[in-house]
Amino acid sequence: DAKTTQPTSMDCAEGRAANLPCNHSTISGNEYVYWYRQIHSQGPQYIIHGLKNNETNEMASLIITEDRKSSTLILPHATLRDTAVYYCIVRDTGTYKYIFGTGTRLKVLA
Amino acid sequence: DTEVTQTPKHLVMGMTNKKSLKCEQHMGHRAMYWYKQKAKKPPELMFVYSYEKLSINESVPSRFSPECPNSSLLNLHLHALQPEDSALYLCASSPQEGLAGTEAFFGQGTRLTVV
Repeated sequence: DAKTTQPTSMDCAEGRAANLPCNHSTISGNEYVYWYRQIHSQGPQYIIHGLKNNETNEMASLIITEDRKSSTLILPHATLRDTAVYYCIVRDTGTYKYIFGTGTRLKVLA
Repeated sequence: DTEVTQTPKHLVMGMTNKKSLKCEQHMGHRAMYWYKQKAKKPPELMFVYSYEKLSINESVPSRFSPECPNSSLLNLHLHALQPEDSALYLCASSPQEGLAGTEAFFGQGTRLTVV
């Protein structure tokens, strides 16, 4: 079963930061948080992952709370091409499966 | 190169047909995955291969038969499918199954329609 919960949908104005939250209250100490996105009918695209420290790459930033029970993906300047379903995944340390939750449908508005 | 290539992109097959989906990666990854995704649903894990051996089968019906002939190639053989098996089939790979902190890369999927 998925270990994460996310809001079903969010809107964001083009050019503004998109902040996508994820709850993973049962996360274990050595489990990583991953973010993927899926643009309509394409394969999921890897965005970023982290363990406990905040992470940043060319696509996004990942902020993980100190207790690691939640995280936020930040797209600093959202564009129309960022419209997609965003999945937060906690990879199971026992089986190392990537199990997708229901995801957040982000719509970037012009 | 972080590419996972799936062929064909689209497939229409009858319920009595036998067909195969193919997935290829050249990243040296030793874990490969099959997922099934129905419309407006998240991907669901079907199979995991680790070092060319089947590691996880998520109770998938036997009409789906995976095969990993070498470290770069993963096949999914299909036989006697039902219309409800119509879905997007996704392949993914990651460096090793049991290695924490590594990301998986996904292909663009095969859109399967069973008629």
